[in-house]
Amino acid sequence: QQQVKQSPQSLIVQKGGIPIINCAYENTAFDYFPWYQQFPGKGPALLIAIRPDVSEKKEGRFTISFNKSAKQFSLHIMDSQPGDSATYFCAASGASGGSYIPTFGRGTSLIVHP
Amino acid sequence: NAGVTQTPKFQVLKTGQSMTLQCAQDMNHEYMSWYRQDPGMGLRLIHYSVGAGITDQGEVPNGYNVSRSTTEDFPLRLLSAAPSQTSVYFCASSWGSNTEAFFGQGTRLTVV
Repeated sequence: QQQVKQSPQSLIVQKGGIPIINCAYENTAFDYFPWYQQFPGKGPALLIAIRPDVSEKKEGRFTISFNKSAKQFSLHIMDSQPGDSATYFCAASGASGGSYIPTFGRGTSLIVHP
Repeated sequence: NAGVTQTPKFQVLKTGQSMTLQCAQDMNHEYMSWYRQDPGMGLRLIHYSVGAGITDQGEVPNGYNVSRSTTEDFPLRLLSAAPSQTSVYFCASSWGSNTEAFFGQGTRLTVV
């Protein structure tokens, strides 16, 4: 059973566009929702994270929107740049119920054309 | 500050061979974990540890063993390699639950 469902699997946008990646989770014990960015040949690195006490968090051009009642969260990339081309993973973890270690979505391959 | 170091970076094994993937971190993190990354499947948890002497299974543990004798090291052992274990393996560490996970550079393993 996939605990964190991520869509779309791939995304192509033009420079300046606003790609949106969506994730949904099932385990109500999750209370930490990070997004990781991975470039080819590298390990994933934390991009931005949110906790369920807020509905939105912004860091630079990256914004997480969080809907606790729907158990969904999404990543928006404003004014996307070719350097944003990477694979993005959403994840979820909790402090109880055996969910200590993050569960990851299947990833979204983003290509930003110049 | 090296962070999380994985060795080797690349490895080719024959079916049935055994090997150990090494992972070391110098951040004094309690939590360490191993993931495998396959196309379209994301990062799947193999085994994890919440402290020295404590390990547990993740989503896809079959064919792999781990141990955690020190805080710094968390090796992953392939007992008898199979072609289905061809993958990219990542080790990660963190202070605890609900904190940033730091990943190594990965080990690309091919089993022929």
